[in-house]
Amino acid sequence: DQQVKQNSPSLSVQEGRISILNCDYTNSMFDYFLWYKKYPAEGPTFLISISSIKDKNEDGRFTVFLNKSAKHLSLHIVPSQPGDSAVYFCALTGGGSNYKLTFGKGTLLTVNP
Amino acid sequence: KAGVTQTPRYLIKTRGQQVTLSCSPISGHRSVSWYQQTPGQGLQFLFEYFSETQRNKGNFPGRFSGRQFSNSRSEMNVSTLELGDSALYLCASSLSGPVTNEKLFFGSGTQLSVL
Repeated sequence: DQQVKQNSPSLSVQEGRISILNCDYTNSMFDYFLWYKKYPAEGPTFLISISSIKDKNEDGRFTVFLNKSAKHLSLHIVPSQPGDSAVYFCALTGGGSNYKLTFGKGTLLTVNP
Repeated sequence: KAGVTQTPRYLIKTRGQQVTLSCSPISGHRSVSWYQQTPGQGLQFLFEYFSETQRNKGNFPGRFSGRQFSNSRSEMNVSTLELGDSALYLCASSLSGPVTNEKLFFGSGTQLSVL
């Protein structure tokens, strides 16, 4: 049973526009939510996170929104840049998932110049 | 500070063989986690070690094992390799583990191909 879903395997946007990546989860025990970015032939790198006590966290061009009642997480990138082209994973932890992150399958973002 | 180092970078093995992958965490990090990445499956948790103790294990068969040494370096072993074990194996380290707001630092991974 997949606890974390990223329903869009891929997303294509124009440079300068907004990219919105989505993530849904089923286990309400998760209390910390992270986004990682992965380029080919490299390991994932941490991007931004949010705890369950907040509904928004910003870091420069990146904003993460959390809707606990809907069990939905989203990452907004504004403005999108070609260098943002990568696979984005949401990762959740907390509750009964001690000492591990539960990842979604990822969304491939392509930002076209 | 040096990042997480995984060796080897690439491996080719045949079915039935066994393989050992190595991970050196960032200096001072005591937690090491292992993940398997296959196309279309995201990252699947294998296990996590802290101070030489396995604290959590994912849903993988017993052919997958690991250990951590006193210097925090970690190894994972896969015995009796199967074609489906072909994947990118990622190691991640952190100070105290993937709890709450502590982020993981990943290595570049070991790409294992089983023929």
